[in-house]
Amino acid sequence: EDQVTQSPEALRLQEGESSSLNCSYTVSGLRGLFWYRQDPGKGPEFLFTLYSAGEEKEKERLKATLTKKESFLHITAPKPEDSATYLCAVQAEGDKIIFGKGTRLHILP
Amino acid sequence: EAGVTQFPSHSVIEKGQTVTLRCDPISGHDNLYWYRRVMGKEIKFLLHFVKESKQDESGMPNNRFLAERTGGTYSTLKVQPAELEDSGVYFCASSLRLVGELFFGEGSRLTVL
Repeated sequence: EDQVTQSPEALRLQEGESSSLNCSYTVSGLRGLFWYRQDPGKGPEFLFTLYSAGEEKEKERLKATLTKKESFLHITAPKPEDSATYLCAVQAEGDKIIFGKGTRLHILP
Repeated sequence: EAGVTQFPSHSVIEKGQTVTLRCDPISGHDNLYWYRRVMGKEIKFLLHFVKESKQDESGMPNNRFLAERTGGTYSTLKVQPAELEDSGVYFCASSLRLVGELFFGEGSRLTVL
């Protein structure tokens, strides 16, 4: 069965303290891996798509990487406005997109 | 360009009543998805439309849930009769391509008392 596991569930960092969020996946035939950001009371907002192992994408203080079994979302020198829940999702051969539970990130000023 | 819009944003109903949620996707997006997030759980897939056809409805919990997409434009999700465990946030998303990022609405929060 296709599965997406994110860790940690929650993470508190000081402003400027870099860290990484993990997304492990088990799917048959990965067609794409996605990272989303979700703010309270809002829908998920798309950040990145990764299609194959070794691929990397960057946007401001965020960088996403992909291997054959997991993806990392690296956050460099975060600011309080980066506080949100970060969701990982995968699209497998059946085209269904399944989500992990997310990592709640809190950046302290 | 307007994003995905959902209505209502919040609905409170009693067990046994009926609720209909509506989603207007981004214009031109043939793919429309419904997802649900129950407290403490991950966002779970319910179903996927391509235009007006149901491509995959494997995530629909039971026959109390009925989704339609009239003319390949907006979609409705009806819950009848509602049960306590149906409470959660129902998200609609649309996409231009079959493989690619989804654009989400802000969700419809359903509370069944």
